[in-house]
Amino acid sequence: DVKVTQSSRYLVKRTGEKVFLECVQDMDHENMFWYRQDPGLGLRLIYFSYDVKMKEKGDIPEGYSVSREKKERFSLILESASTNQTSMYLCASSLDDYNEQFFGPGTRLTVL
Amino acid sequence: ELKVEQNPLFLSMQEGKNYTIYCNYSTTSDRLYWYRQDPGKSLESLFVLLSNGAVKQEGRLMASLDTKARLSTLHITAAVHDLSATYFCAVDFAGGTSYGKLTFGQGTILTVHP
Repeated sequence: DVKVTQSSRYLVKRTGEKVFLECVQDMDHENMFWYRQDPGLGLRLIYFSYDVKMKEKGDIPEGYSVSREKKERFSLILESASTNQTSMYLCASSLDDYNEQFFGPGTRLTVL
Repeated sequence: ELKVEQNPLFLSMQEGKNYTIYCNYSTTSDRLYWYRQDPGKSLESLFVLLSNGAVKQEGRLMASLDTKARLSTLHITAAVHDLSATYFCAVDFAGGTSYGKLTFGQGTILTVHP
């Protein structure tokens, strides 16, 4: 079974803090994705990566950056957290461009 | 603009009844996915539809794809309480040429009552 894990299920941070969200997959998948999920908006793609050190912006990259130094690990960074970044963050991975994405359990981030 | 729209967004069903969730999308694609999300949980893959006319069934759920109409349906037969969840459709508009990027619909919250 594919396993995608995320470092925290719940996180509370203060405005202006730097926040790191970690995602690890154990199936040698090529592609990894970060989404945020907000009620009524579905999932929106923040960034994705198709190879180590390769990344591309998704639909809502502003205020976020990412890092993929190893194939299995994809990190989402909020350089200076703001209250409008309070959300559920979901990581996903896929074997390649033609296969479905598998999702991690999510991190519910609250920025006060 | 790449858009995926689901309707209804909220669906309250009685056990034993049938209903359909619709997923419309804005431009050509022949790769569409359905996911299920239980409250407080992550997304679980239900169906992968890869060509016009594709139909897949699993238990009480059946999904179909009409690429000409840019429409996918998720049909629920004889609903049971265990089907209560949020259902998302997601479209790969680039047909596998853009790293498998998906655009998601807003989700349909399904509640099945006794």
